[in-house]
Amino acid sequence: GQNIDQPTEMTATEGAIVQINCTYQTSGFNGLFWYQQHAGEAPTFLSYNVLDGLEEKGRFSSFLSRSKGYSYLLLKELQMKDSASYLCAGMDSNYQLIWGAGTKLIIKP
Amino acid sequence: IAGITQAPTSQILAAGRRMTLRCTQDMRHNAMYWYRQDLGLGLRLIHYSNTAGTTGKGEVPDGYSVSRANTDDFPLTLASAVPSQTSVYFCASSGSPGGNTGELFFGEGSRLTVL
Repeated sequence: GQNIDQPTEMTATEGAIVQINCTYQTSGFNGLFWYQQHAGEAPTFLSYNVLDGLEEKGRFSSFLSRSKGYSYLLLKELQMKDSASYLCAGMDSNYQLIWGAGTKLIIKP
Repeated sequence: IAGITQAPTSQILAAGRRMTLRCTQDMRHNAMYWYRQDLGLGLRLIHYSNTAGTTGKGEVPDGYSVSRANTDDFPLTLASAVPSQTSVYFCASSGSPGGNTGELFFGEGSRLTVL
């Protein structure tokens, strides 16, 4: 079956670094996505990885290891506005997204 | 209109009633999707459309129907609402099927409560 696993909740301190892990099992693989969703709002796109390695975008980076079925989202210099849920999604061979339940990130001052 | 618009934003509905959630995009995207989001679960695909005139079933299609008469509009209909359809519904679009341009654009969501 297809499955995406990520932690339910994480807590971090303002100014620190946090890594949100995601493991995936999909029928075929056409990439791994990360989305950010603030409470009561729509998800917004953060990153897309299809090749192994690290993609960096400002304070946010995303890593993929296809052989391990593993990805992580790294957030640096945390700000209070980074408090949100982070959704991991794998794209299968039919180009359909399989979504994790999301990781709620709580930032404390 | 800028982006993708859903209506209504919130609705309380009696069980057994028919309800249509509207979704309109002005980005000329080929692909459109309807998801439901429930606490503790990931987004689940209800129906999708890769291009105008075609639709497909997602993971949880039962009790829902869609149509795609043109590029811009993708309404979702609940023929006879049941309490288990209480959820937040998101419409999304992408430039190509599967969103393999790297990005899905989401509407703001429609919160539906079925009593």
